[in-house]
Amino acid sequence: EVQLVESGGGLVQPGGSLRLSCAASGFTLSDHYMDWVRQAPGKGLEWVARTRAKANGYTTEYAASVKGRFTLSRDDSQNSLYLLMSSLKTEDTAVYYCARVLVYGDCAAFDYWGQGTLVTVSS
Amino acid sequence: AIQMTQSPSSLSASVGDRVTITCRASQAIRNDLGWYQQKPGKAPKLLIYGASSLQSGVPSRFSGSGSGTDFTLTISSLQPEDFATYYCLQDYNYPLTFGGGTKVEIK
Repeated sequence: EVQLVESGGGLVQPGGSLRLSCAASGFTLSDHYMDWVRQAPGKGLEWVARTRAKANGYTTEYAASVKGRFTLSRDDSQNSLYLLMSSLKTEDTAVYYCARVLVYGDCAAFDYWGQGTLVTVSS
Repeated sequence: AIQMTQSPSSLSASVGDRVTITCRASQAIRNDLGWYQQKPGKAPKLLIYGASSLQSGVPSRFSGSGSGTDFTLTISSLQPEDFATYYCLQDYNYPLTFGGGTKVEIK
């Protein structure tokens, strides 16, 4: 059974840093693209970042709102995905979800999601 | 960035109703579109990918159509468990962008 479990959320001051983790089980992490998606309280969904599979060189993509501040990494030996967030802003407050990407031809979709972890940026 | 405009933003419907939600892209995205259902306090769930392919395990009352810029999610006969918020997502290019969501409420 595929499972994704996020952890590492919490309260952090503006300008601070936080590292989120996503523990994957039930599949081989290195075979899959993995993404982070966030949702501010009471708002819609926002895509944050993507790491491609090992076969695609683990390359990454970021939303403009986080580029240069967030870094996505993965440890396939631990079957874990990480999101290092720095220079945090109040507008980064959100529930952060990791999601597995289903790739079909040239297209992709998020077929499995974690339960989310809440990040609150406040003084 | 590609803008995804979803409509309506909310709707009220009764059990058994046919419901249609639309998503319009600001430029052509082939069929690189998915539909997701989200219930309060829960992670989103994939319903449709590639604009019209039903994800495994999703009831057949859900269907998707469209290509290019205009897409539709249809629920043929609304069930009590379908009351939720629905989002479209384009995966044609970066940044990936979601529609603003459609909240389906009980009439």
